[in-house]
Amino acid sequence: QVHLAQSGAEVKEPGASVNVSCKASNYNFITFAINWVRQAPGQGLEWMGWISPYNGKAEYAQKFQGRVTMTTDSSTTTAYMELKSLTSDDTAVYYCTRGPGPNVKVVIPFDDWGQGTLVTVSS
Amino acid sequence: DIQMTQSPSSLSASVGDRVTIACRASQSISTSLNWFQQKPGKGPTLLIYNASILRSGVPSRFSGTGSGTDFTLIISTLDPEDVATYYCQQSDRPPLTFGGGTKVEIK
Repeated sequence: QVHLAQSGAEVKEPGASVNVSCKASNYNFITFAINWVRQAPGQGLEWMGWISPYNGKAEYAQKFQGRVTMTTDSSTTTAYMELKSLTSDDTAVYYCTRGPGPNVKVVIPFDDWGQGTLVTVSS
Repeated sequence: DIQMTQSPSSLSASVGDRVTIACRASQSISTSLNWFQQKPGKGPTLLIYNASILRSGVPSRFSGTGSGTDFTLIISTLDPEDVATYYCQQSDRPPLTFGGGTKVEIK
C-alpha cells in the first residue's frame, strides 16, 4: 500500500533552517503532487504549498514565500521541504500528503499522509 | 484567497445522534471540497472528497452535501469512535485553505 515516511523530529534555534523529508513508496511518484501541511500545537491545519515531482514546479502559500523551498528527487522518490529563518511561530507538526498540484489532477486527493514531523523552534 | 468558515467550532452530542457540520466558502468552489477527520494525537485522514464522495473504507454513516459555497458533513448516527476534530478544505485553487475545524465530543 501507499506509504509516506517522514524524517524525525527536529529542534532548531530561532533563525535556523529545517529540512523535512518525505519518502514515498508503492505508487508512481510522478503522478501525484506532494503537498505540505502544518499544524501548530492546539491549532488547525495550514496548507504551505505543493510541488509536482513530474516537472519540479512548486507553488507556495503567500505566507511562506521567500522562506520555503520544496523539492523532489524522483530517483529516490523523496520530497523535501526546507523552511528558513525559523521563529517560535514555526513550531508545528509538518505533514506531507499526496494530492493535486501544479498541472496535476488526481481522482482522490489527500488520501495518504506522512506520519508528521514535529519541528520545535526554541532557544 | 478563499476563506473557509466552519460551524460550529465544537459540539457535544449523544451516541446515536445525528450530527451536522457546516462549511462555507467565501467564493464559489463548485464541488472542490474535502472533509478530513483528525483523532486526538493522530494525523488527518480523508473522509469525503469532491463534496460528496465517500472515500473507500469510511463508514456509511458519514455523508457530504453541497456545492458552490455551502457544504455540510453529516454523521447520521454518532459513534464513540467519531470523537475527533473535523476539517473542511477547498481544493479549487491555491492556496488550498482549511476551515478552522469542528471538535466533536460525546455528551
